[in-house]
Amino acid sequence: DQQVKQNSPSLSVQEGRISILNCDYTNSMFDYFLWYKKYPAEGPTFLISISSIKDKNEDGRFTVFLNKSAKHLSLHIVPSQPGDSAVYFCAASALSGTASKLTFGTGTRLQVTL
Amino acid sequence: NAGVTQTPKFQVLKTGQSMTLQCAQDMNHNSMYWYRQDPGMGLRLIYYSASEGTTDKGEVPNGYNVSRLNKREFSLRLESAAPSQTSVYFCATRATNEKLFFGSGTQLSVL
Repeated sequence: DQQVKQNSPSLSVQEGRISILNCDYTNSMFDYFLWYKKYPAEGPTFLISISSIKDKNEDGRFTVFLNKSAKHLSLHIVPSQPGDSAVYFCAASALSGTASKLTFGTGTRLQVTL
Repeated sequence: NAGVTQTPKFQVLKTGQSMTLQCAQDMNHNSMYWYRQDPGMGLRLIYYSASEGTTDKGEVPNGYNVSRLNKREFSLRLESAAPSQTSVYFCATRATNEKLFFGSGTQLSVL
C-alpha cells in the first residue's frame, strides 16, 4: 500500500521553463511534507518542506503547494536550470514526537534540457 | 564536518554471506535510520533508532539486524545475504525537525 505516490516516473523540461512535480498521499494523518533531491551516487538532500497548517512555502526558485482536501502537493521550480536534473522524492510524516518516520514516494526523474 | 559517513561504498556478496554496513554521524542527532532504495520503490525504511540504546523496525526489517552502538554509530547487519537484498542502502540522521540528513549510500550486490 503506497501511502505516498509520485505517478510520473520522469519529466523533461526546457531550461528556463517551469518544472512541476506532483505527489499524492492517502494517509490523512500526514501533516508534514518534504521534498528531497538526489543526484546519482549521492544521498538525497533536503530541498524544501511544508507543514499542513500552510498551503504554500517558497524558497528561491522552489515553491511547494499543499492541497489538503485533495491530499496533493506539488513542487514548482522556476526557472528550471540544467543543475536541477536529478531524482526528486516527495516524503511525508505524521509528527509523533520522538522518532517520527518519513514515508517516501517512488521518485520523479527530472531532466532539464538546454 | 563529515555529516553522515557510510562504509563501505560498494560491496559484492555471495548468497549466504554476512556483512555489516557501518554508519557514523558527527551531527549530534539522536535519531538514526536505515533505508534501502530500489528501482520503482522509492526509499523504504528498514530500521530506525530514536536514541542511543533503542531500535525499532521499519517497513522492511526482515533479514536485517541493527545495533546502535552509541550516539554516533548505527550499524546494519545482514546475517545471511539473499539476492533480494541487492539494493542501495542509505543511513540517515534526523534533526529536531523532520529533516533527514543522508549518507552517500552503500551499493550492495548479492549474487
